[in-house]
Parts: sequence; C-alpha cells; structure tokens
Amino acid sequence: DAMVIQNPRYQVTQFGKPVTLSCSQTLNHNVMYWYQQKSSQAPKLLFHYYDKDFNNEADTPDNFQSRRPNTSFCFLDIRSPGLGDAAMYLCATSRDLNPYSPLHFGNGTRLTVT
Amino acid sequence: GDSVTQMEGPVTLSEEAFLTINCTYTATGYPSLFWYVQYPGEGLQLLLKATKADDKGSNKGFEATYRKETTSFHLEKGSVQVSDSAVYFCALSDQAFNQAGTALIFGKGTTLSVSS
Repeated sequence: DAMVIQNPRYQVTQFGKPVTLSCSQTLNHNVMYWYQQKSSQAPKLLFHYYDKDFNNEADTPDNFQSRRPNTSFCFLDIRSPGLGDAAMYLCATSRDLNPYSPLHFGNGTRLTVT
Repeated sequence: GDSVTQMEGPVTLSEEAFLTINCTYTATGYPSLFWYVQYPGEGLQLLLKATKADDKGSNKGFEATYRKETTSFHLEKGSVQVSDSAVYFCALSDQAFNQAGTALIFGKGTTLSVSS
C-alpha cells in the first residue's frame, strides 16, 4: 500500500565514494522533493522537481544532484560524500505547487559515511 | 526569512493526560500551516492542516487553530494514548517565500512519549 517508496532504508558509503538514493511513487504526483534531516534538526529542503523542471535551493551544496527520468522515479546523487552528509534523506511528493496541497513522504534513507 | 519554532522535547506524559505542543511561526506572506507526525521507523504523515486565519484543523483527536494575531499553531489533544508516542513536526508553506509553494519549512520536531 506504500505510495512513496525509498530504497534502501539504510545506506553506508565511504568518504568520497559517490552514492545514489532512490525514490519512487505510485501517486502520479507532479512534484517530487528531497529533504535532508540531520539528527535532532528540522528537515531541510534540498531541491524539487515540478514535472521535469528542476529547482535547486540556493544553499544546497553542489555536491548534491538529482535526476528524474520519469514521473515515478527520482534519484538523489551525492558525488563525493563527506562525513557531514550523514543524515536521513526524505523523499516527498505533492500533486501540484498549491500551498494547500499536503506532502506525502517516504520512510526515508539513513545514510552513513565512513 | 520564513521559520517555524516549536517547543523543545521530549514531552513525557501519562496515558489520558492533556497534551499541548507549542508552535509559532514567522512568514513573509500568508502561509498554510501543518502538523506532521513521524512514528518510529516510518516517514512523516500529515496529521492536520489549516490554510487561513482562525481555521481549526483536527484529526484523530488532535486539534490546532491558526492564530494570525499571535502567529501560532499550537497542537492539542485532550487525552493522549500510548500509540500517540511519536515525533511531531510543525510546518508551514508560503507561496510568497518558496518557489514551490508546497515546499515545507519545518520546526525541529518535538518527541512525545506516553506511558501507560
């Protein structure tokens, strides 16, 4: 019954080794988001896609990139992970860009950098 | 810029106690306000929302009223249960602030622990 699915739930990577996190949705929503949540902090928006249009937050490091090959899938690529990139990464979707539209979240991927 | 401040946790209560989690916000425009809940090992789920001043959102016995004069959206429940133990996030979305009007700005979250 899951509608936003993130894989894997737990990911371990080495310092500097590229890593990709994936998100898929069965809701056919137009908008997909990636949030970073560090321990005891608020989730922080990294970027979002509205359909194929990519929108980067101003303070998102260049190390973080994203791909959305089709409506259902969205990937988060971390080119050279540092120790400070260890966090929970949350994918979310919404039907449109209306501020009233609720977001639907996946269960997150917890990234460890060794 | 826009921001959300919610009370520090953890909040520890006995079953059937009254719950209040305070949330205040700063916004550029006229935001929509939300409470999300995160149960252990799961993603965030929408609990309730309010889209304009004086609106009251409610769900599963939880309520919150959008107070523009005090820029607040406090979460309340009259009688908590053990199953309410979770992390609660207050959030806003503000079309005037974000390119994506739906992009949420979160508070840090408040952990609620209810014992029987």
